[in-house]
Amino acid sequence: AQSVTQPDIHITVSEGASLELRCNYSYGATPYLFWYVQSPGQGLQLLLKYFSGDTLVQGIKGFEAEFKRSQSSFNLRKPSVHWSDAAEYFCAGFNNAGNMLTFGGGTRLMVKP
Amino acid sequence: EAGVTQFPSHSVIEKGQTVTLRCDPISGHDNLYWYRRVMGKEIKFLLHFVKESKQDESGMPNNRFLAERTGGTYSTLKVQPAELEDSGVYFCASSLWGGETQYFGPGTRLLVL
Repeated sequence: AQSVTQPDIHITVSEGASLELRCNYSYGATPYLFWYVQSPGQGLQLLLKYFSGDTLVQGIKGFEAEFKRSQSSFNLRKPSVHWSDAAEYFCAGFNNAGNMLTFGGGTRLMVKP
Repeated sequence: EAGVTQFPSHSVIEKGQTVTLRCDPISGHDNLYWYRRVMGKEIKFLLHFVKESKQDESGMPNNRFLAERTGGTYSTLKVQPAELEDSGVYFCASSLWGGETQYFGPGTRLLVL
């Protein structure tokens, strides 16, 4: 069955530190992969997406993600975290044979001053 | 361009009552999706409309949930009668025909007491 896993439920980093949020997927074919962010009181905002081609994709707010087929991973990174990045982050996959997104459980990011 | 909007933003009802959630997709988006996140769980797919037709409602939990999309524009999701386990955040998303990127609304936070 198709699945997306985010191993880390909570992560705390200091402001200015680098960030990496993990995402692993299990799909028969190469999925379309997404990262969404939900800030407090807000809806889900699309950060970036990977469909094919260059495995390093750039998104909004200074985020990037790298698709690694050999590791079945699509980790989200940011070189320097800002306090406003505190939010919950969701990795999701979409197989074009289907019509729905499958979400990971989410990773809640806290940023220390 | 207006994004996906949802109404109400919050709803508190008693067990056994009826609640109707509304979603207005981005103009021109034929695909409309409903998702739900219950406390502590992943965001789960409920159903998918293409215009006014239900394409896939495999995620609907039971027959207390009824979704409609009359005229292929906005959609409603009715829960009747509501149960305690229906509490959670209900998200609506839309995408273009053939589009893999889904854009989410802010969600409706439903609390059943």
